[in-house]
Amino acid sequence: EVQLVETGGGLVQPGRSLKLSCVASGFTFNNYWMSWTRQAPGKGLEWVASITNSGGSTYYPDSVKGRFTISRDNAQNTLYLQMNSLRSEDTATYYCTRELGAYWGQGVMVTVSS
Amino acid sequence: DIVMTQTPLSLSVAIGQSASISCKSSQSLKYSDGKTYLNWVFQSPGQSPKRLIYQVSKLDSGVPDRFSGTGSETDFTLKISRVEAEDLGVYYCCQGSYSPLTFGSGTKLEIK
Repeated sequence: EVQLVETGGGLVQPGRSLKLSCVASGFTFNNYWMSWTRQAPGKGLEWVASITNSGGSTYYPDSVKGRFTISRDNAQNTLYLQMNSLRSEDTATYYCTRELGAYWGQGVMVTVSS
Repeated sequence: DIVMTQTPLSLSVAIGQSASISCKSSQSLKYSDGKTYLNWVFQSPGQSPKRLIYQVSKLDSGVPDRFSGTGSETDFTLKISRVEAEDLGVYYCCQGSYSPLTFGSGTKLEIK
């Protein structure tokens, strides 16, 4: 059974940093692209970042480019999202997904507020 | 960026009746490999999203065949025949053909 478990969320002040982790199990992690998608409270879904199976290439929308960094450790079956220079509009539940949404984690809440 | 426009924003359907959701993209989603990367994602209240359909019409494992997806190029439809109570929630279309990946704004299905 595919499982994706996110951790690392919480309350952070604007301008500060936070790093999310996602531990994957139930599939061969290094065979798949991985992504992060977020959902602001009461809003729709927004793609945040993707990474190839080797980690050699990464992709971001303009809204987070230069502030967020996606990475992975294939030996540890773990996906990461380093979020810097956080803004109030980054407040959301962040989901780890396999590929572009084939499987989703339970999500982790990030609140950016002073 | 490709804009995904879903209609209606909400619909109310009686148990056992059918429901249909439209999704239109601002440009063709047919990729250079000949495939069309249009997914349908469902989110029941308080739960994580779950993909139902990928590449326009392919059902994910475990998804009942009451769900079907059709369409091509820029016009796509999700149909639910014989709606059940568990189908209550929000349905999103999503394109993965071109970066950035974009979602529709969602269609909320309520049970009448």
